[in-house]
Amino acid sequence: GEDVEQSLFLSVREGDSSVINCTYTDSSSTYLYWYKQEPGAGLQLLTYIFSNMDMKQDQRLTVLLNKKDKHLSLRIADTQTGDSAIYFCAEYSGNTGKLIFGQGTTLQVKP
Amino acid sequence: DARVTQTPRHKVTEMGQEVTMRCQPILGHNTVFWYRQTMMQGLELLAYFRNRAPLDDSGMPKDRFSAEMPDATLATLKIQPSEPRDSAVYFCASGLAGAPNEKLFFGSGTQLSVL
Repeated sequence: GEDVEQSLFLSVREGDSSVINCTYTDSSSTYLYWYKQEPGAGLQLLTYIFSNMDMKQDQRLTVLLNKKDKHLSLRIADTQTGDSAIYFCAEYSGNTGKLIFGQGTTLQVKP
Repeated sequence: DARVTQTPRHKVTEMGQEVTMRCQPILGHNTVFWYRQTMMQGLELLAYFRNRAPLDDSGMPKDRFSAEMPDATLATLKIQPSEPRDSAVYFCASGLAGAPNEKLFFGSGTQLSVL
């Protein structure tokens, strides 16, 4: 079945880079996503990567995909206090048509 | 600015009462998902629809939960009777199946407290 795993917590200092990791199990995944959730709000799509890509860069965000190891990471350069939130990794299962989320990683950015 | 609209934003009710949560997907979207978020379980997929037809509701407790799409502009999630363990934030999301990247757009959620 589908399963997505993330570490639960990451703390960094403002200005440092943050790297949030995720592993998934469904080899039929076509797209992988990173969503951000701020307190009291819904999930906001940050970025996504197609499964035949290794890397995608979008301003301060870099997504790396290792399809062989089913490992996805999100790097946030020059992390700001406004980046403090919960970050969810998600895989789209081509078999079932479902979007399956990890547990979320809480990113704490210290001034 | 297109967005998914959920009502109510907050609901406090007593155990045993019926709860109805509503969702208006983004116009033109043909998939609707219901998720439940709790501290313990994270985000759980309850049900999802494509072109108003239920594709999978295996994540829902069938004895008390029901999800419907009366029309393309409205999705509902009902709990009858509600129980304290149903307390959670319920999110609706909509998307366009077959689109190049299958993105989902989330509503702001309904925070449900069952006393």
